[in-house]
Amino acid sequence: KAGVTQTPRYLIKTRGQQVTLSCSPISGHRSVSWYQQTPGQGLQFLFEYFSETQRNKGNFPGRFSGRQFSNSRSEMNVSTLELGDSALYLCASTVVGLATSNEQFFGPGTRLTVL
Amino acid sequence: QKEVEQNSGPLSVPEGAIASLNCTYSDRGSQSFFWYRQYSGKSPELIMSIYSNGDKEDGRFTAQLNKASQYVSLLIRDSQPSDSATYLCAVVNTGGFKTIFGAGTRLFVKA
Repeated sequence: KAGVTQTPRYLIKTRGQQVTLSCSPISGHRSVSWYQQTPGQGLQFLFEYFSETQRNKGNFPGRFSGRQFSNSRSEMNVSTLELGDSALYLCASTVVGLATSNEQFFGPGTRLTVL
Repeated sequence: QKEVEQNSGPLSVPEGAIASLNCTYSDRGSQSFFWYRQYSGKSPELIMSIYSNGDKEDGRFTAQLNKASQYVSLLIRDSQPSDSATYLCAVVNTGGFKTIFGAGTRLFVKA
C-alpha cells in the first residue's frame, strides 16, 4: 500500500506570495492532519480534516487555511507569506473508526523557504 | 505549562544499554498516546501506541502509561547506534481530533 504523498517536496517563495501544498493520504485513510515543524517550535498542529470538514484547528493566523476533497486528498494554503513561515510542512493520515484510530502516518513533508 | 513535555536531551547511552525516555501531559481526558521516531531530515515514524495503563512491549521497545500520574515513557532495550534519533511523544486531546506533540528528546547511542 502506498504511503502518504506530499507535493511539492521543496518550494521557494518570496514574502507576500501565497502557496498551496498538497497531500494524498494512504488509501482508506479518511482523516488528514497538517503540521508545521521548525527547529525552535517543534511540531505544531495546524488543522485536521475528516469527510471534507475541519474538525480542529491549531493556533495559527487566518493566513493558514486548508480543505479536504471527497477523495480524502487535502490541500493547505498560506497567503501573504512571511519569513517566519519557512518550515517543514507535514501531512499525516489516519484511519477512522478502528481501535487504532489516531495512529498517524506522515508524508515526507514539503520544505518551504520564504525569502 | 506545556501540553506535552519531554526532556529535550540530548540523552547519550552506550550501545547495548537501556535508553529511558519520559513524557508528561496536561490533558487528563487524553486516551491515546504515541511515540514517534524522527531521523534527521526525515519525517516522524510511528513506533509505539498505548491506550491503557501499564506496559506494552514490541520487540526492543516498551511503552509505559500511567494515566493517574499523566506520564508516558519509552524504554529501548539493547540500544543500537541506529536508534540515534529524536523521539517524539504525542498525546491525543480529549476531543480526539487533535494530536499534540512534545518537543522531542534527542537520543545518541554510542558504539
